[in-house]
Amino acid sequence: QLVLTQSPSASASLGASVKLTCTLSSGHSSYAIAWHQQQPEKGPRYLMKLNSDGSHSKGDGIPDRFSGSSSGAERYLTISSLQSEDEADYYCQTWGTGIGVFGGGTKLTVL
Amino acid sequence: QVQLVQSGSELKKPGASVKVSCKASGYTFTSYAMNWVRQAPGQGLEWMGWINTNTGNPTYAQGFTGRFVFSLDTSVSTAYLQISSLKAEDTAVYYCARGIVPPLVDYWGQGTLVTVSS
Repeated sequence: QLVLTQSPSASASLGASVKLTCTLSSGHSSYAIAWHQQQPEKGPRYLMKLNSDGSHSKGDGIPDRFSGSSSGAERYLTISSLQSEDEADYYCQTWGTGIGVFGGGTKLTVL
Repeated sequence: QVQLVQSGSELKKPGASVKVSCKASGYTFTSYAMNWVRQAPGQGLEWMGWINTNTGNPTYAQGFTGRFVFSLDTSVSTAYLQISSLKAEDTAVYYCARGIVPPLVDYWGQGTLVTVSS
C-alpha cells in the first residue's frame, strides 16, 4: 500500500535551516513526490516536484531558500534562512496508477 | 497567470446536496486534469480523486464513491463537485487543484467551506 509518513511537528530558529522528511512506504522508494505548503488560515501552495534522484522542479515564485533532496525512500524539503512566514504545515504528496496520496503533514514552528 | 476560483461557503442541512464550482483561467482547461481535495476541520489534506478534463472520466478515491460526483462544463472552463445526502462529517474545506500528472497538483483553488448542520 502506498503510504507517506511525516513527523507531526518540527521547529527551528529564525534565520536557521530546517530539513523536513517524507518517507515512502516499502516497495515505493523510486516514486517522485510533491511538497506543498499551507500557511495558517490559507489554502495550500505547491512548492516543488521531487524525483527519486533528488532533481526537483519548483513552482512559480518559490524562493531559492526552498530545496529538495532524496535518499532511498526518504524525500526531504530543506528551508534555509527561515523566515516567520515559513511557519506553516508542509505536506508531501505522491501518486500511483492514477491514485493520489498525501502524507499527514508536518507543522513547522519558527522560533 | 493560472487561477482557480471556487464558489463561496455553503451551509447545508443533513440530507441536502451541495455543488461546488471551480472556474479555471490562465491556461487551456482541457490540457490538465482537475483534482479535488478535502480538509476536515483541524485535519490534513485528503485526496478525493480527479477528473479527466478531455473525456470527463472521473476517478474517485476510496471513501468518495457513491455520494460524490465530479463533473465539468468545458465551455466555461469550470469543474464541479457535487455531494449528495450530506452528513455532518462532510463538513470540511474542499479544494480544487490542477493536476500536471493527474493526481499531482500544482495549482490550488482558494477552497470552499461546506458546513453541514441542522
